[in-house]
Amino acid sequence: AQSVAQPEDQVNVAEGNPLTVKCTYSVSGNPYLFWYVQYPNRGLQFLLKYITGDNLVKGSYGFEAEFNKSQTSFHLKKPSALVSDSALYFCAVRDSASGTYKYIFGTGTRLKVLA
Amino acid sequence: EAGVVQSPRYKIIEKKQPVAFWCNPISGHNTLYWYLQNLGQGPELLIRYENEEAVDDSQLPKDRFSAERLKGVDSTLKIQPAELGDSAVYLCASSFGTNGETQYFGPGTRLLVL
Repeated sequence: AQSVAQPEDQVNVAEGNPLTVKCTYSVSGNPYLFWYVQYPNRGLQFLLKYITGDNLVKGSYGFEAEFNKSQTSFHLKKPSALVSDSALYFCAVRDSASGTYKYIFGTGTRLKVLA
Repeated sequence: EAGVVQSPRYKIIEKKQPVAFWCNPISGHNTLYWYLQNLGQGPELLIRYENEEAVDDSQLPKDRFSAERLKGVDSTLKIQPAELGDSAVYLCASSFGTNGETQYFGPGTRLLVL
């Protein structure tokens, strides 16, 4: 069965410092991996995805993520955090080998960027 | 391009009352999803439509929840009767296809059952 884990409930980082939000996954086939961000009282907004190809994926607002097959990870990164990046971040995975086309979301990581 | 539209944004009802949520997906998106999001949790799929066909409703509590997408465009999710535990945010998302395509989410409907 497919699953995704976000081991940190909250990540605090100072403005201007690099940030990392962690995500690990488990699938039987090749993964489709996504990062979404959610601001208060808003729906989820797409940041980036990995389907195939280059392991380093660049997305919106300066975010990027690195697919690591051996560690089954897809950590979200940004070189220099902004206060406006403070939000709830969700990792999601879909098993390409699964016939259900079901996306599993992590429990979310709250990012707090301190001025 | 307009995003996914949901209404109402907020709804407060008493337990045992019925409630309905409406979703209009992005134009041209044939796949529509309804998710349940509890406080502090990630979205959980309730039902997925491809055009007008419900292709995955395995997580939908069919004793009280129902959904329809009659013309393969907008969709309605209904709860009857609502229970206290149904208080949550109900998210609608759409995508063009299902094979790795990005899902685009609406703002959600926040339901409070008293």
